Amino acid sequence: QKEVEQNSGPLSVPEGAIASLNCTYSDRVSQSFFWYRQYSGKSPELIMSIYSNGDKEDGRFTAQLNKASQYVSLLIRDSQPSDSATYLCAVRNNYQLIWGAGTKLIIKP
Amino acid sequence: ETGVTQTPRHLVMGMTNKKSLKCEQHLGHNAMYWYKQSAKKPLELMFVYSLEERIENNSVPSRFSPECPNSSHLFLHLHTLQPEDSALYLCASSQVFGGRYTEAFFGQGTRLTVV
Repeated sequence: QKEVEQNSGPLSVPEGAIASLNCTYSDRVSQSFFWYRQYSGKSPELIMSIYSNGDKEDGRFTAQLNKASQYVSLLIRDSQPSDSATYLCAVRNNYQLIWGAGTKLIIKP
Repeated sequence: ETGVTQTPRHLVMGMTNKKSLKCEQHLGHNAMYWYKQSAKKPLELMFVYSLEERIENNSVPSRFSPECPNSSHLFLHLHTLQPEDSALYLCASSQVFGGRYTEAFFGQGTRLTVV
């Protein structure tokens, strides 16, 4: 059974601080990894994709991938109240995306 | 129109009704998906169409019936649903080339309530 694990939270972070979200996956052959943001009552929105080991930065967001440890993370710098949402980790296995249940992030002003 | 659009946004139906959900993508993608999202659970993949051919039917009850008339349109026909089918139904699309699939982009979803 291919699985993606995330801490459900909620993770509470002060405004302006760094939020760190983590995800582990079970299928070693996975090649593509994604972070989605989902506001309450809305659909998932793609934030970052990462395909190779190391860091990938896009604005305030940095995705980190460690295939040896089967671990992918998302860092949000200078957290804003608008970043409060549920963050979903997804791992691609051919045409399937295997999803975590999401981490609820709360940014406190 | 941009991205992936779903209609209706909200649907309340009785257990004996028949209804259809519609999805249209304007991204030029050639793969489309139906997902079910229930509270506190990971997204559940229901159906996948790639190049207009259904390639995944993930043990979904027959009261859900997908239809993909072309690469831009996807339907989910519903009949004799149960209250436990109440959920957010999400359509998504991606591109496939050389057997490799790109990121998935989602529609706004249909909030379905079965009474």
